[in-house]
Amino acid sequence: DTGVSQDPRHKITKRGQNVTFRCDPISEHNRLYWYRQTLGQGPEFLTYFQNEAQLEKSRLLSDRFSAERPKGSFSTLEIQRTEQGDSAMYLCASSLAHRTSGSAETQYFGPGTRLLVL
Amino acid sequence: AQSVTQLGSHVSVSEGALVLLRCNYSSSVPPYLFWYVQYPNQGLQLLLKYTSAATLVKGINGFEAEFKKSETSFHLTKPSAHMSDAAEYFCAVSVGGYNKLIFGAGTRLAVHP
Repeated sequence: DTGVSQDPRHKITKRGQNVTFRCDPISEHNRLYWYRQTLGQGPEFLTYFQNEAQLEKSRLLSDRFSAERPKGSFSTLEIQRTEQGDSAMYLCASSLAHRTSGSAETQYFGPGTRLLVL
Repeated sequence: AQSVTQLGSHVSVSEGALVLLRCNYSSSVPPYLFWYVQYPNQGLQLLLKYTSAATLVKGINGFEAEFKKSETSFHLTKPSAHMSDAAEYFCAVSVGGYNKLIFGAGTRLAVHP
């Protein structure tokens, strides 16, 4: 098991450009989460997938953000018309939820994609 | 609404000294609570979690945490700090049936010789 991977690890872009990040979860994990972490803060929830269905989006996720998880495997997070305020670390996590696990299954985090918008 | 407060954004201890990182939670339902550690330029790694079984939870690397409902606390401790423990530590509470995590702001632990 290779763990959660994210690509790229670093991205520098100019304001107004579009960027796309990829997350490959641990195989067989049915839940996938995106979080955003700014300097000096804890991660903040952005969105969540159960298999291929996107079941919740945070109010932090403006219309410029879109996430997909086709076929319930890898996921992409796209930011359109980037702004300097989008600069942050974008973290992906996955977990395997069983019917009996309730809200206690462990989320495994990837190394993150650090975005800098100039 | 569920929330987490971590008291002390920076904690500094000597190698071999007790580590105590504080976490208080707010939850309208019995909570599931987590401690994660983050090393520089890395993702988060689970240290331990409380899932309503034993109130004293043992985790990896010698860390443990005690759930105290009366104090709404879930403080993280380690009897003897090691240089390799220097990192940022996050307390989190699980929200909703699908385990959305609400994190505290984190505590940066420094360990000096």
